[in-house]
Amino acid sequence: SYVLTQPPSVSVPPGQTARITCGGYNIGSNSVHWYQQKTGQAPVLVVFDDSDRPSGIPERFFGSNSENTATLTISGVEAADEADYFCQVWDSLSDHVVFGGGTTLTVL
Amino acid sequence: VELVESGGGSVKPGESLRLSCVASGFKFSDYYMSWIRRAPGKGLEWVSYITSNGDNMYYSDSVKGRFSVSRDNSKNILYLQMNTLRPEDTATYYCARYGGIRWFDPWGQGTLVTVSS
Repeated sequence: SYVLTQPPSVSVPPGQTARITCGGYNIGSNSVHWYQQKTGQAPVLVVFDDSDRPSGIPERFFGSNSENTATLTISGVEAADEADYFCQVWDSLSDHVVFGGGTTLTVL
Repeated sequence: VELVESGGGSVKPGESLRLSCVASGFKFSDYYMSWIRRAPGKGLEWVSYITSNGDNMYYSDSVKGRFSVSRDNSKNILYLQMNTLRPEDTATYYCARYGGIRWFDPWGQGTLVTVSS
């Protein structure tokens, strides 16, 4: 089955840029979606189809995807961005959905 | 657009539970729908999804044969029948609209299922 690999944690000072990676074999050929989940809340879609943002998501959230790595970049990180972030793809071979293991973003 | 889950609770191993998810604010019958869970201390895990007309269902290997997803498009309700529950099924279960190029948006607030003897 298809596997997505994320670093368990990323820490950045406020105002800096956070980069959260999602590795997978030839992931560049898939559409990657990203979710933010704050403690005690439901997940929220922050990037879909590699790099598009739903309405209401700040431009500080930027997605990219190439070859074997997709990346969620959050610029000008704020305390309110502290959350778990998950990448997700649809595996067309199995018709199954795959999530990455998740990355906890800590704002120092 | 709103999704509201219900039906969670505390059960013993081997018992059953049925979750419901009431949808509003969109044309429910036009969309695939899905269940996703998050166990304590773990990440998100996809559980199941069902096509818009209910003809096709898909399950993760961890629940296949024990869980069954269904929908009532006349009532805008998504269901998850969970049988032979195991302690490792303990999680918050979310329903989500599954649209576009297969992303989830929005999500419900979740319902907690605890399986323990």
